Amino acid sequence: GQNIDQPTEMTATEGAIVQINCTYQTSGFNGLFWYQQHAGEAPTFLSYNVLDGLEEKGRFSSFLSRSKGYSYLLLKELQMKDSASYLCAFNTVRRALTFGSGTRLQVQP
Amino acid sequence: NAGVTQTPKFQVLKTGQSMTLQCAQDMNHEYMSWYRQDPGMGLRLIHYSVGAGITDQGEVPNGYNVSRSTTEDFPLRLLSAAPSQTSVYFCASSYSARERSKPQHFGDGTRLSIL
Repeated sequence: GQNIDQPTEMTATEGAIVQINCTYQTSGFNGLFWYQQHAGEAPTFLSYNVLDGLEEKGRFSSFLSRSKGYSYLLLKELQMKDSASYLCAFNTVRRALTFGSGTRLQVQP
Repeated sequence: NAGVTQTPKFQVLKTGQSMTLQCAQDMNHEYMSWYRQDPGMGLRLIHYSVGAGITDQGEVPNGYNVSRSTTEDFPLRLLSAAPSQTSVYFCASSYSARERSKPQHFGDGTRLSIL
């Protein structure tokens, strides 16, 4: 079957670094996406990993280990505007995204 | 650039009523999909389409119909609304089913309440 797990909530301090983990199980893996979703808004694309390793994009980095079914999103120099839900989703052969339930990140001053 | 446009933004229905949620994109994207988002359950795929005239079921298709007569439009029909269909509905599109690295672009959502 297909399954994807991520923590429900996390809290971090402004200026700090936070790592949001995501584990998945699927037989037809074709890449993993991270999306950011502010309350009441649509998800917006952050990153995509299809090969093992780290992809860096400004303050955000995403890591993938296909053998372990594991990914994380690393947010550096946290800002108050980073308070949002972070959704991981894997791509299947049908080009249909399977989403996790999302991790709600609260950044505190 | 309009991107993905969903209408209406809010809707209240009575049990048993039918309605159509509209979705249009102006990016010439081949792939379009409908998700529902419920608290604590993430986004779940309802139906998707890889091109005009082609649709397929997702994870939770029961109670919903779709059609794709043009590249731009992908309406979602609720046949007989039930309280369990109270949710936020998102339409998304991406360039091509073959371009797997391309992200999906989401509309702003339709907040639907069934009484």
